Amino acid sequence: AQKVTQAQTEISVVEKEDVTLDCVYETRDTTYYLFWYKQPPSGELVFLIRRNSFDEQNEISGRYSWNFQKSTSSFNFTITASQVVDSAVYFCALEGGSQGNLIFGKGTKLSVKP
Amino acid sequence: KAGVTQTPRYLIKTRGQQVTLSCSPISGHRSVSWYQQTPGQGLQFLFEYFSETQRNKGNFPGRFSGRQFSNSRSEMNVSTLELGDSALYLCASMPAPTTYEQYFGPGTRLTVT
Repeated sequence: AQKVTQAQTEISVVEKEDVTLDCVYETRDTTYYLFWYKQPPSGELVFLIRRNSFDEQNEISGRYSWNFQKSTSSFNFTITASQVVDSAVYFCALEGGSQGNLIFGKGTKLSVKP
Repeated sequence: KAGVTQTPRYLIKTRGQQVTLSCSPISGHRSVSWYQQTPGQGLQFLFEYFSETQRNKGNFPGRFSGRQFSNSRSEMNVSTLELGDSALYLCASMPAPTTYEQYFGPGTRLTVT
């Protein structure tokens, strides 16, 4: 069965702190895609990153970075020098064997306080 | 380019009624997926359409149905509404099923009383 686990339900940090959101996944597929989405209070899911299972290189985009480790089935997301605008719910997702079917974790609610 | 639009944004219905939600994908996108988001179950896949054909369906009862039109716009219908159907319904579009990157709309907040 395919599954995504985000063990951290809520995280609260003070502005400028670094924060890492954990994501662990389960799949029997050899080819798969992993995603991170951000859901601000407005409700719309915002795409952050897609990573395929053959590319284990870490990725950095501004203050965001992602660490993909196949050996531990993890795809963690780090925000460096967090800002209040980063406050949102963050979802990790796995492409579930069909290109239109994403399997989401339960999400991690991040609160960044000034 | 305009993003994914969903109408209506908010809806209040009574148990037993039916409801139709609409989704217009990004121009040029031909694949549309629907998701239900509730506090208890999180985000769950409902179904996916491409070129007016349903490609995949999630584990939802037959009361949930959908369709896609030739212009790629999609509708989903829920019949005989139950209190548990109260949720945020999100639509996502992709250029085609093979592109993997889904763009989500703002959602329709359905409240069943």
